[in-house]
Amino acid sequence: EAQVTQNPRYLITVTGKKLTVTCSQNMNHEYMSWYRQDPGLGLRQIYYSMNVEVTDKGDVPEGYKVSRKEKRNFPLILESPSPNQTSLYFCASSLQVGEQQFFGPGTRLTVL
Amino acid sequence: QKEVEQNSGPLSVPEGAIASLNCTYSDRGSQSFFWYRQYSGKSPELIMFIYSNGDKEDGRFTAQLNKASQYVSLLIRDSQPSDSATYLCAVRTKIIFGSGTRLSIRP
Repeated sequence: EAQVTQNPRYLITVTGKKLTVTCSQNMNHEYMSWYRQDPGLGLRQIYYSMNVEVTDKGDVPEGYKVSRKEKRNFPLILESPSPNQTSLYFCASSLQVGEQQFFGPGTRLTVL
Repeated sequence: QKEVEQNSGPLSVPEGAIASLNCTYSDRGSQSFFWYRQYSGKSPELIMFIYSNGDKEDGRFTAQLNKASQYVSLLIRDSQPSDSATYLCAVRTKIIFGSGTRLSIRP
């Protein structure tokens, strides 16, 4: 089944404790992206990747890192999480940039 | 001005009526337009996309694009309670070309 998976789905952590949210797609998509969704602000792009080893900042990259060592995986790394990073995070992929995106199920992160 | 703007609602429509959702965008070079539906606590899913001016119909859904006025709409006919969700408009902007590199292969 073609899908985008994220793990974990829910996470409660404390300020400063490094964490990684994984994202994986099995559709051989070149383009992958991370978004955060907050009430009243819609989906905001954090980072995106056009292909393996090609990543770039989105609209709200501060406090986040990503890597794209393999085509299927695009982990989101929070080196030192802060409470303002409490949000709902979505990973998405598409065959190429600008085409229909397929979204993962979301990761709800709470930073205390 | 935001690049893509939607009224946050809530928009309340009686069952069976037509729901009309609007989206405006700022980049006149935008090329493709998507409507996603997101149920509470779920991830967005694509319901319509449109590239050309005019209307595109798919079942009870109609997407309308007016590039001159820079807006795209989604109409939902015969609205059902199951249509209750957040609808996200997404816009793909133009591709920008560099000036080019002339390559000459020497024999």
